[in-house]
Amino acid sequence: SQTIHQWPATLVQPVGSPLSLECTVEGTSNPNLYWYRQAAGRGLQLLFYSVGIGQISSEVPQNLSASRPQDRQFILSSKKLLLSDSGFYLCAWSYGPNQPQHFGDGTRLSIL
Amino acid sequence: EDQVTQSPEALRLQEGESSSLNCSYTVSGLRGLFWYRQDPGKGPEFLFTLYSAGEEKEKERLKATLTKKESFLHITAPKPEDSATYLCAVPAGDNYGQNFVFGPGTRLSVLP
Repeated sequence: SQTIHQWPATLVQPVGSPLSLECTVEGTSNPNLYWYRQAAGRGLQLLFYSVGIGQISSEVPQNLSASRPQDRQFILSSKKLLLSDSGFYLCAWSYGPNQPQHFGDGTRLSIL
Repeated sequence: EDQVTQSPEALRLQEGESSSLNCSYTVSGLRGLFWYRQDPGKGPEFLFTLYSAGEEKEKERLKATLTKKESFLHITAPKPEDSATYLCAVPAGDNYGQNFVFGPGTRLSVLP
């Protein structure tokens, strides 16, 4: 069966510091991968998605970036965090477009 | 613009008291409607996909139905463990089904 792992579960970072969140998927090959942010009381917002190694599509212009160095690895990064980057970050995978997306347990990011 | 709304925002039920949650959507060319359950501090867990009006799916005490403009999640004789936030989502009109538009969710509390 397929599993998705995200880490860390929680993170507290100062403003202006860098960020690296990692997500890996097991049990499937060439998945579509996604990064979402969920702000308190709001719906999920798609940040990035990838249909293959090295292929990244950005949905929201911001100071975040994503990379996919391996087939089942997806990384969310920032060079300098802003207060507005606080939130709950979720990674997901799917077999393709219009297919169910399956989520990891998220990273709670707090910026001080 | 593709939109998904959900009602009610919050719902409190007594154990055994059946009810329904609503998900209304506006999207050009529906390519599926997805229901998720999200527990506090966790990622959404996939429940159902519905692809065409009239379709129904069931899982334990949950039944999802779909019309041309909305979907309902019926909860029959709920138990306290059904307490969670229920989200619905549709693939957006652009990006070939990669971008899911999520509703804000219905927060369900089932009291013993």
